[in-house]
Amino acid sequence: TQLLEQSPQFLSIQEGENLTVYCNSSSVFSSLQWYRQEPGEGPVLLVTVVTGGEVKKLKRLTFQFGDARKDSSLHITAAQPGDTGLYLCAGEGDTGGFKTIFGAGTRLFVKA
Amino acid sequence: DTGVSQNPRHKITKRGQNVTFRCDPISEHNRLYWYRQTLGQGPEFLTYFQNEAQLEKSRLLSDRFSAERPKGSFSTLEIQRTEQGDSAMYLCASSSGVNTDTQYFGPGTRLTVL
Repeated sequence: TQLLEQSPQFLSIQEGENLTVYCNSSSVFSSLQWYRQEPGEGPVLLVTVVTGGEVKKLKRLTFQFGDARKDSSLHITAAQPGDTGLYLCAGEGDTGGFKTIFGAGTRLFVKA
Repeated sequence: DTGVSQNPRHKITKRGQNVTFRCDPISEHNRLYWYRQTLGQGPEFLTYFQNEAQLEKSRLLSDRFSAERPKGSFSTLEIQRTEQGDSAMYLCASSSGVNTDTQYFGPGTRLTVL
């Protein structure tokens, strides 16, 4: 069974600080997505990474896919209150199946 | 281009009643997914359609749950004889299935069973 573990589960920081959240698995994924979800809303796609070692940047957010395609990280520079939300990673299996596996998420709170 | 839409956004019902939710995917997407999400958790997979065919169902999907996608476009999820444990956010997502299976989510339907 493929599992995705996210850490930390909860993070509360001051505006302007940097942070990194992690998404780890013992399984290989053909692609991995990061989403942000606000209360009462559906997850919104931030990025998809496909190639091992790939790094993608989205303004202050930097996403990295591990070389072995088993893990990923999301780094936020100079966090802002608007970054507050639940960050979910989701992996697409590498075994030909269609089911995407979600982590439980990292809940980020950025204080002004 | 509109994204994934879901109706209703909120549903409050009494235990034992039946409820039905609707999902309209992105128009060119042939894959459609249903998930359930409870507080503090990530989405849990319920079922998946490729066009009108329901290809996979989770063990979470008890006999009281049924999903359809009759014309390969919109989908409905029905819960019969609702229980308090069914209270959750029900999310729908769609994907094109081209290159990757990146899924785009709707806003969800929040179900509260009293």
